[in-house]
Amino acid sequence: IAGITQAPTSQILAAGRRMTLRCTQDMRHNAMYWYRQDLGLGLRLIHYSNTAGTTGKGEVPDGYSVSRANTDDFPLTLASAVPSQTSVYFCASSDGPFTDTQYFGPGTRLTVL
Amino acid sequence: KQEVTQIPAALSVPEGENLVLNCSFTDSAIYNLQWFRQDPGKGLTSLLLIQSSQREQTSGRLNASLDKSSGRSTLYIAASQPGDSATYLCAAFGGGADGLTFGKGTHLIIQP
Repeated sequence: IAGITQAPTSQILAAGRRMTLRCTQDMRHNAMYWYRQDLGLGLRLIHYSNTAGTTGKGEVPDGYSVSRANTDDFPLTLASAVPSQTSVYFCASSDGPFTDTQYFGPGTRLTVL
Repeated sequence: KQEVTQIPAALSVPEGENLVLNCSFTDSAIYNLQWFRQDPGKGLTSLLLIQSSQREQTSGRLNASLDKSSGRSTLYIAASQPGDSATYLCAAFGGGADGLTFGKGTHLIIQP
């Protein structure tokens, strides 16, 4: 069992380009989340999904979009990347959206030049 | 807006000591509180989850307590080992759009 996989592991991207970060979980968890981690700011929630077919905005959603077409996948798209989106991105999942442990993927390190 | 603070920001102790990491949060309306460990360049590993109705949780040498009314949680590590060296993060879960609100972490070094 892999848990949560994220791809790519790292990426350097030119500003203005479109980029999709992939997240797949094999635990059949209902809820999934995207966080970004920045030095000095810690981890912050970008978007979340309590169940397949639904999504919601977190603390820092601007410039990002998500979709949840099925239980296992939760891609994060940057429509037009900007340097301030340089960060480490973590995907997480939990069985239930309110009471269960969140499990994190290994992260994607994104640099926007 | 929930704010989570962790004290101390960094801690270095000799192997074998018992230690306490502190976490405080401003909004007591939480569903649960989680403690995580993060090794350099790695993802987060969940250590303990305490539901809002619980007072403490234990796993091996780790014990976490929760006092919602005072907005505090502590992580107690017994008989520390060099392998415990990592950054420890606490996070309060407010549900939905609030997600997990993280503290900035305690960077722990256990000296052999």
